[in-house]
Amino acid sequence: KNQVEQSPQSLIILEGKNCTLQCNYTVSPFSNLRWYKQDTGRGPVSLTIMTFSENTKSNGRYTATLDADTKQSSLHITASQLSDSASYICVVSGSSSNTGKLIFGQGTTLQVKP
Amino acid sequence: DADVTQTPRNRITKTGKRIMLECSQTKGHDRMYWYRQDPGLGLRLIYYSFDVKDINKGEISDGYSVSRQAQAKFSLSLESAIPNQTALYFCATSVLGGADEQFFGPGTRLTVL
Repeated sequence: KNQVEQSPQSLIILEGKNCTLQCNYTVSPFSNLRWYKQDTGRGPVSLTIMTFSENTKSNGRYTATLDADTKQSSLHITASQLSDSASYICVVSGSSSNTGKLIFGQGTTLQVKP
Repeated sequence: DADVTQTPRNRITKTGKRIMLECSQTKGHDRMYWYRQDPGLGLRLIYYSFDVKDINKGEISDGYSVSRQAQAKFSLSLESAIPNQTALYFCATSVLGGADEQFFGPGTRLTVL
């Protein structure tokens, strides 16, 4: 069964600290993996996309990694800010036929405290 | 700005009532989707449409119906609402060749009493 599992479920860190969120998937075939950020009361917004051949990609203070062999991805947040408080959702596209159907993780809720 | 909008943003209704949630987009995208989000669960696909004449069921379509009135409009209906349909509902759009990136509306919080 195609699944995406995220850990931890929730995380509290102090402002300025770094953190890493994990995503394991069992989706096959694999097309790409995205990390979305969902602020409270808003819809998810794409942060970064990883394709099969990419290992690391950065978007400002966000760095995503992908290990296609172990089917694991991580999202590292550097020097966290209060505005990073949100849910982070790992989403895998499981088909190369571009059907648009995605497999969503349950999300990690991050709270950054002053 | 090109955007995805949803109305209403919040709705409280009673069991057995018919409810319609509306989604409009100015992105010019052909593909539109309806999802529901429950605490502790990932987003789950209810219905999707790749153009005006195309409607497809998602993984949890029972109890829901949709209408694609135009390229820019996609409505979700609950014919007879029940309490376990209480959830956050999102509309999303995408474009063919867009590497599966979906653009989400702000969501509708629906409570069925």
